[in-house]
Amino acid sequence: NAGVTQTPKFRVLKTGQSMTLLCAQDMNHEYMYWYRQDPGMGLRLIHYSVGEGTTAKGEVPDGYNVSRLKKQNFLLGLESAAPSQTSVYFCASSLLGGPQETQYFGPGTRLLVL
Amino acid sequence: SQQGEEDPQALSIQEGENATMNCSYKTSINNLQWYRQNSGRGLVHLILIRSNEREKHSGRLRVTLDTSKKSSSLLITASRAADTASYFCASGETSGSRLTFGEGTQLTVNP
Repeated sequence: NAGVTQTPKFRVLKTGQSMTLLCAQDMNHEYMYWYRQDPGMGLRLIHYSVGEGTTAKGEVPDGYNVSRLKKQNFLLGLESAAPSQTSVYFCASSLLGGPQETQYFGPGTRLLVL
Repeated sequence: SQQGEEDPQALSIQEGENATMNCSYKTSINNLQWYRQNSGRGLVHLILIRSNEREKHSGRLRVTLDTSKKSSSLLITASRAADTASYFCASGETSGSRLTFGEGTQLTVNP
């Protein structure tokens, strides 16, 4: 099993450009999450999904959109990138939801917005 | 602000010494988890302690939970250079369905 994979690993964007980050998991997990990690701020939840076809806002959703058309994939979109979105983005998944569930993380996508 | 806050932000020790990291949280929780992150990698789950447990062991890891003080600690005994990483606590609120991560402690174990 590959676990959780993320594409791309690194990307440089210019302000105003758009892009989509792809997360895929092969563990048949129901829940999937997108976090961003910034120095000194830990991980902050952007959006999450409780199952195929569902999405919900997290702590910092502004400027991002998500889609979960297939159970194994969770896409994070930036419609008009801003320098404040320079960060490392992590996708995670869990079998079910709730604080008792272990989350499995991907390797991260490093995004630089100029 | 983050549910979990960790202390210290950075810790540097010699191989063989013990490392203790602390985490505080603000609201009632169901359980608390600890994760590890090697540089440039994703987080990896280490251990979970439930709200009705006071202490839990896993190999060289010992986790304690004090719900009256809303705090938890992670002890790594007989540290190794390979333990160098960032360590995060993650708590789940009793009424919630998500985890909230602390800011992490950067541990450096010098050989």
